[in-house]
Amino acid sequence: EVQLVQSGAEVKKPGESLKISCKGSGYSFSTYWIAWVRQMPGKGLEWMGIIYTGDSDTRYSPSFQGQVTISADKSISTAYLQWGGLKASDTAVYYCARLNGNFDYWGQGTLVTVSS
Amino acid sequence: EIVLTQSPGTLSLSPGERATLSCRASQSVSSRYLAWYQQKPGQAPRLLIYGASSRATGIPDRFSGSGSGTDFTLTISRLEPEDFAVYYCQQYGSSPPRYTFGQGTKLDIK
Repeated sequence: EVQLVQSGAEVKKPGESLKISCKGSGYSFSTYWIAWVRQMPGKGLEWMGIIYTGDSDTRYSPSFQGQVTISADKSISTAYLQWGGLKASDTAVYYCARLNGNFDYWGQGTLVTVSS
Repeated sequence: EIVLTQSPGTLSLSPGERATLSCRASQSVSSRYLAWYQQKPGQAPRLLIYGASSRATGIPDRFSGSGSGTDFTLTISRLEPEDFAVYYCQQYGSSPPRYTFGQGTKLDIK
């Protein structure tokens, strides 16, 4: 069974750094891309970027280029999304999803709350 | 950049009725690269339809997708209580990478 399991909810202050994770199982992790998707409170879905977990080739949505960093460690079947300095506007649920043309399997989401 | 516009924003229907959700693209989209997702409150989205008309694994046959060019439709033939959710269309492609979502249609119980 394909599963993507994300790290737990985070509460951070503005300016702090953060790295959240997404661990895949039940399939050959390093032969698929992983996507990250943001959902701000009460809003729709926005794709942020994708990473090929086999060689860490990364592509960003223009809206998120320079705002976040996507990485992966294929040895532990895990992809990451990180921020160097969080803002209140980064408060959202972040999903990882397996890219198979479309997004065919999704993680459960990680709620990130940024508040002073 | 292709923009996807979904209509209506909210659709109020009763169980047993037929639902028709629309997704319009600002320019022509290959039907091979059009998907629909369902999202229930507090849950991750779930892939329903890919390639405009192919059902994903485990999706009941009351869900169907159709369309081409700039106009695509998701139809739920006979609504079940568990179908009341938000539905998103998405166009996707790899060169350059683009995975744009529509703004969503909320299907709620009348």
